Amino acid sequence: GAVVSQHPSWVICKSGTSVKIECRSLDFQATTMFWYRQFPKQSLMLMATSNEGSKATYEQGVEKDKFLINHASLTLSTLTVTSAHPEDSSFYICSARRVGSNQPQHFGDGTRLSIL
Amino acid sequence: QKEVEQDPGPLSVPEGAIVSLNCTYSNSAFQYFMWYRQYSRKGPELLMYTYSSGNKEDGRFTAQVDKSSKYISLFIRDSQPSDSATYLCAMSESGGYQKVTFGTGTKLQVIP
Repeated sequence: GAVVSQHPSWVICKSGTSVKIECRSLDFQATTMFWYRQFPKQSLMLMATSNEGSKATYEQGVEKDKFLINHASLTLSTLTVTSAHPEDSSFYICSARRVGSNQPQHFGDGTRLSIL
Repeated sequence: QKEVEQDPGPLSVPEGAIVSLNCTYSNSAFQYFMWYRQYSRKGPELLMYTYSSGNKEDGRFTAQVDKSSKYISLFIRDSQPSDSATYLCAMSESGGYQKVTFGTGTKLQVIP
């Protein structure tokens, strides 16, 4: 089945640093990848839609200058949290859809980000 | 009112029980319906997906959609301790499951 890999799985860093999270589709090509954020005991909230070869589409209230998304190839999208602060601590999850498929998104295992 | 409502639980059942998980929604444009299972500190795992109203069965899992009532269900037969997880319903309007709206999830515990 479709597999989406996310790296790193857990990162702890100091306030003010930037953190990059990678999302890869391992056995299929994905023109579209999605980035979600999940706080404890809450549901997934879509942050942005990442489109290969073009700018990402951000949801209302998500700062595009803070959460930089790059989708440089059909198998890789990255999310960079710039100048991270403690309030950015959360569980970040990516998902991807197979090109030409009419099936739902498959998710990575998430990245737990802790900003000290 | 949230677009998708889901009872957060927790729901505790004995091993072997039939589990019923439910979601209601308000957006009549939703046509694609999904159920995901999420273990602690992991990403959601796709269990079932259906289009429009009707039933779909896969092993111990059955998904039901009643668009007239804006109500979807997931039934788990012969529940196992390994089924203990949070179950998320999800829905989308467009073909291809583009923008998906999730419920808050129901935490299920199956007791041996």
